[in-house]
Amino acid sequence: KAGVTQTPRYLIKTRGQQVTLSCSPISGHRSVSWYQQTPGQGLQFLFEYFSETQRNKGNFPGRFSGRQFSNSRSEMNVSTLELGDSALYLCASSSGQASNSPLHFGNGTRLTVT
Amino acid sequence: EDQVTQSPEALRLQEGESSSLNCSYTVSGLRGLFWYRQDPGKGPEFLFTLYSAGEEKEKERLKATLTKKESFLHITAPKPEDSATYLCAQGGGRRALTFGSGTRLQVQP
Repeated sequence: KAGVTQTPRYLIKTRGQQVTLSCSPISGHRSVSWYQQTPGQGLQFLFEYFSETQRNKGNFPGRFSGRQFSNSRSEMNVSTLELGDSALYLCASSSGQASNSPLHFGNGTRLTVT
Repeated sequence: EDQVTQSPEALRLQEGESSSLNCSYTVSGLRGLFWYRQDPGKGPEFLFTLYSAGEEKEKERLKATLTKKESFLHITAPKPEDSATYLCAQGGGRRALTFGSGTRLQVQP
């Protein structure tokens, strides 16, 4: 069974630009969550989608948004990039509710904002 | 708000030297305690889920245990390939998993 796939693996963007990251979950998993990982803050929850609906949201500004498609694939978008947005963005899928089921992570997209 | 604290922050062991990693969690509303392993440049890899005090899970040289206020990840006779960052996370009802900051384990040959 294929794991969670994230593309691209690396991105370099300039302040003020926007970026879109993509995630394909494990086949059959309908829940997709996004996390930001930085050395200082660790893993911080961004949002969770289930059946194309946002089910849960973390404490990030509105510049961070996401969506999920009917095939469970998900994208997240960050607009007006800031230097502090440089991080590893991780997508995870689960077969049950993301708040109390094992999450299966992709290898992330490393975003660098210059 | 859920809080997860892991200790130690870093641990260096000699090959074969057993030890334990600690994860303290918010007592109320636990809906699962999760352990992950993360290698550099990769996403966390799921290891175990524990749901109730007294529960234990094992996988190769790793054993996870759960009490009413903390969880331990015991590493028996570790090998260099066990070197990684180990993360624990608390599940909580409708809220997302809350992750600890991790323990960086280095096992020297």
